Amino acid sequence: EVKLLESGGGLVQPGGSLRLSCAASGFTFTDFYMSWIRQPPGKAPEWLGVIRNKANGYTTEYNPSVKGRFTISRDNTQNILYLQMNTLRAEDTAIYYCARLDTFYYWYFDFWGPGTMVTVSS
Amino acid sequence: DIQMTQSPASLSASLEEIVTITCQASQDIGNWLAWYQQKPGKSPQLLIYGATSLADGVPSRFSGSRSGTQYSLKISRLQVEDPGIYYCLQGYSAPFTFGSGTKLEIK
Repeated sequence: EVKLLESGGGLVQPGGSLRLSCAASGFTFTDFYMSWIRQPPGKAPEWLGVIRNKANGYTTEYNPSVKGRFTISRDNTQNILYLQMNTLRAEDTAIYYCARLDTFYYWYFDFWGPGTMVTVSS
Repeated sequence: DIQMTQSPASLSASLEEIVTITCQASQDIGNWLAWYQQKPGKSPQLLIYGATSLADGVPSRFSGSRSGTQYSLKISRLQVEDPGIYYCLQGYSAPFTFGSGTKLEIK
């Protein structure tokens, strides 16, 4: 059974940093692209970025809305996905989800974690 | 960026009624379209991928279709467990983008 579980959310002051983690299990982690997606309260989800699989060199791509502030990485020995968030702003307040990206033909997020809440406020 | 225009924003329907939600893509995305259902306090769950393929475990009353750059999600007979917010997603090109959502309620 595929499982994704985010952690690391919380309250952070504007300008601060936070690192989120996502523990993955139930599938061969290195075979899959992984993404972070966020959802502000009452709004639609927003894709933040992707880290590719082993076959594609674990390269990354970001939404321009967060490029330069957010960094995605992965520990393929422990099956953990990370999101490093710097220079946080009030508008970064959201539930943050990790999701597995199915890329075998059509691309879509087939499994999501339950999410972790990040609140940016003084 | 590819814009996904979703309608209606909200919808109230009776049990057993047919419900249709649409997403209009700002450019050709082929069949690179997925639909999700989100219930309060939960993460989105995949319903449809490839515009028309039903995800594992999803009831057959859900179906997806495409006409050009317009995509539709149909619930053939609304059931009590179907209320929630429905989103479309284009997986054609990054940045991947979601529709604004349709809130579905039981009348």
